[in-house]
Parts: sequence; C-alpha cells; structure tokens
Amino acid sequence: SYELTQPPSVSVSPGQAARITCSGDALPKSYTYWYQQKSGQAPVLVIYEDSNRPSGIPERFSGSSSGTMATLTISGAQVEDDADYYCYSTDSSGNHGGVFGAGTKVTVL
Amino acid sequence: QVQLVQSGPVVRKPGASVKVSCKTSGYTFSSYGITWVRQAPGQGLEWMGWISTYNDKRKFAQNFQDRVTMTTDTPTSTAFMELRSLRSDDTAVYYCARGVAQIYPDYWGQGSLVTVSS
Repeated sequence: SYELTQPPSVSVSPGQAARITCSGDALPKSYTYWYQQKSGQAPVLVIYEDSNRPSGIPERFSGSSSGTMATLTISGAQVEDDADYYCYSTDSSGNHGGVFGAGTKVTVL
Repeated sequence: QVQLVQSGPVVRKPGASVKVSCKTSGYTFSSYGITWVRQAPGQGLEWMGWISTYNDKRKFAQNFQDRVTMTTDTPTSTAFMELRSLRSDDTAVYYCARGVAQIYPDYWGQGSLVTVSS
C-alpha cells in the first residue's frame, strides 16, 4: 500500500519558521495537499496542489514539492498555528484513492 | 457559503451497522464528489472512500471495501455512508468532505462520533 511519511512533531518559537516534511514515492507524479486540524475541530485545507493557498488562508502558509518530498512552511508561526498538520496525496495510478500521512504536531511556544 | 452538516453521535453494539448522513448546501451538489474520512480517538486521519454525485462512481480504501456503502440523494443534496459488521476499533469520528474531482477533499463536515461498545 502507498504511504506518506511525516515527522511526529515540530516545535517552533513564535515568529520563527516551522517546516513540515512529507515523503512518498508517488509524490513526483501526484500533487500534495496539506490540512490543519486544531484540537476538537474538523480539518481545514491550507495548501492544495503542492503550493496553492485557498482563499482565507494566511500568506504565512506556503507549500513546495521536489522529487519524493513535499514541504509545508509556516513563516512567522503564530500561537494560533499550534495544531496537527496532515499531508495528503493519491497514488499515481489512481487505483488506490487517497492517503494521509500520520500527521505532525506543531507546537508554537 | 459551503456547508456540510452531519448526523449526530451514535452508539452501536459490535456486529451492528451504522449509517451517517451528510447534508450539503452552498454549492451545486452534482458538481463535486463526497469523500469520507475517519479518525479514531487520538489517531490520525484515514481515507475511507469517495463517491461521485454525478454518476455514482465509487472508490474505496481496501480496508473498507467489503463493509462500506456510500450513496447520495441529489434532491436533498445529502450523502450517506453505511458501515456494517462494526467492531470496537471502528469507534471513531467519521467526516464527510466535499471531494474535488476524484482527488482531494476541500470543505469538511463537523464530524459524527460513532462509538462501538457492548
């Protein structure tokens, strides 16, 4: 089965940059999407198609992808960015649907 | 605005079935699919499957292929997910989300807690 690998946790001080990686063999052929999930809430899409920001998402959220690794960067992290972040993609064949990474807990303190 | 409103929490016994509803509004129902995702307590997100609201095409994760049914009702812009032969490890929050093409979910419902307990 297809898997996406994320680090379990990332810590950052307010105002500093937080970088979350996501690796997967199919990423060179498939887009990566990023979701933010705060405690007790539904996920929110923050990046789609590797690097695009939906309307209403702050500019400090950016995404990139190169080879088998995608990266979500929070530039100037704020206390309110403290949350779990999940990457998501599909396998390049389209046969196995979607898959989420295990999630990265971002702590801003 | 796009909204997906799900049915309330339920408790089921092992071996039973559960059907979760997802009523949508704020967009053209047949222009997007519906994706279902679940999250066990303290765990990550698990993609369950996707259904087209246009032609009823479906795609399921292998873990659920034999136990899940996904349907839609266009007149009421509502989607349904039924999971059968429930086990204790099916205890989770089940989310519906608007599916863009067959590819990714963008707007999410608030989640429906399903507890499986004897």
